[in-house]
Amino acid sequence: QTVVTQEPSFSVSPGGTVTLTCGLNSGSVSSASYPSWFQQTPGQSPRTLIYNTNTRSSGVPDRFSGSILGNKAALTITGAQADDESDYYCMLYMGSGTWLFGGGTKLTVL
Amino acid sequence: QVQLLESGGGAVQPGGSLRLSCAASGFIFSRYDIHWVRQAPGKGLEWLAYIGKNGHYKSYGDSVKGRFTVSRDNSKDTVYLEMNSLRLEDTAMYHCARDFTWSIDHWGQGALVTVSS
Repeated sequence: QTVVTQEPSFSVSPGGTVTLTCGLNSGSVSSASYPSWFQQTPGQSPRTLIYNTNTRSSGVPDRFSGSILGNKAALTITGAQADDESDYYCMLYMGSGTWLFGGGTKLTVL
Repeated sequence: QVQLLESGGGAVQPGGSLRLSCAASGFIFSRYDIHWVRQAPGKGLEWLAYIGKNGHYKSYGDSVKGRFTVSRDNSKDTVYLEMNSLRLEDTAMYHCARDFTWSIDHWGQGALVTVSS
């Protein structure tokens, strides 16, 4: 069974840089997986940050960037701010018209 | 602006059925594919279903295949999720979301479905 893997939690200092990753338990993530990233705070709907590997959604600040690092998709936050403290989810296209989400990363800014 | 508004959520007993609706506005609905995604209380996001622009192509996640059916009415700018044989573990917030280049660019606020005896 294919599983999309994400770090369960991560911590970053205010002003710091953090890179969250999104991988597969078997296989590699590439741009053909159309990786996307979503931010969610408690009680809110998800917000799209990045789609198609590295395209920022409308209104998303440029301190959020997406890329492929090795065999994983990556979300980098540069100059972390207090309100970046959220859950972050990646989603991958698995082919045959199906998608999978990762388990999410809880980011703490402190 | 793009808006997706879910409705039809509520409480249902195990084995029961429910139909969710997702009304779209602010864009040309018939040009976009739509996803359904859910989130159980305290859990992560789970992709459930996808429907193509004209409603002919549909796909489902393993956990709902054979029980849930997605459909759309482009004349009403609405997508539906028919949920049958509901289980306790189907309790979740259900979101519809607009597809953009094999991803999601806009999300609805969600409809809460509670399966309980």
